[in-house]
Amino acid sequence: GAGVSQSPSNKVTEKGKDVELRCDPISGHTALYWYRQSLGQGLEFLIYFQGNSAPDKSGLPSDRFSAERTGGSVSTLTIQRTQQEDSAVYLCASSPMQETQYFGPGTRLLVL
Amino acid sequence: KQEVTQIPAALSVPEGENLVLNCSFTDSAIYNLQWFRQDPGKGLTSLLLIQSSQREQTSGRLNASLDKSSGRSTLYIAASQPGDSATYLCAVLVPTGANNLFFGTGTRLTVIP
Repeated sequence: GAGVSQSPSNKVTEKGKDVELRCDPISGHTALYWYRQSLGQGLEFLIYFQGNSAPDKSGLPSDRFSAERTGGSVSTLTIQRTQQEDSAVYLCASSPMQETQYFGPGTRLLVL
Repeated sequence: KQEVTQIPAALSVPEGENLVLNCSFTDSAIYNLQWFRQDPGKGLTSLLLIQSSQREQTSGRLNASLDKSSGRSTLYIAASQPGDSATYLCAVLVPTGANNLFFGTGTRLTVIP
């Protein structure tokens, strides 16, 4: 079946612009995660959605970052006023409840 | 807090050689352990998943073992090929919390033709 998909696969933007990254989870998966992986670094947890519950935003690095999950399915991660340090690969994962996470291919963001 | 460590950080081997990547974790209360492959600038590809009740899993030339009591896992790659060159990450899933998937630091493997 279809896996987790993310778009765009690559995004180049100028410092100060806003960007939106999209994640389509596996159908029926109630949990959705966003991670960030900066160059040469490990994966950094950003935010977690579980069903209709309030998201766990404890990993968001600043108030320029926000995420939504509409209808319990598609999620959008928005970065406002991008900075060069936001350049990273942004990974989305989904899982049935809090079980094994299935990762998407990631969005590679480059802020010039 | 769970901490996951991978040794070595980087490894270069000639094509055809068998190799072992190591992963250790500090808290044995895990749901499962997963090995991923990551190519430069790309997402994660799941290779093998071992449930906490299992000892090993095999897929093709890959074999992963789990010793939960000692907090260790190994990924064995047989007859390595240049296409195996990538970063290999292990991750443990713990029972509690939203941020419940803990990744190791990765081993960057280069297989030399």
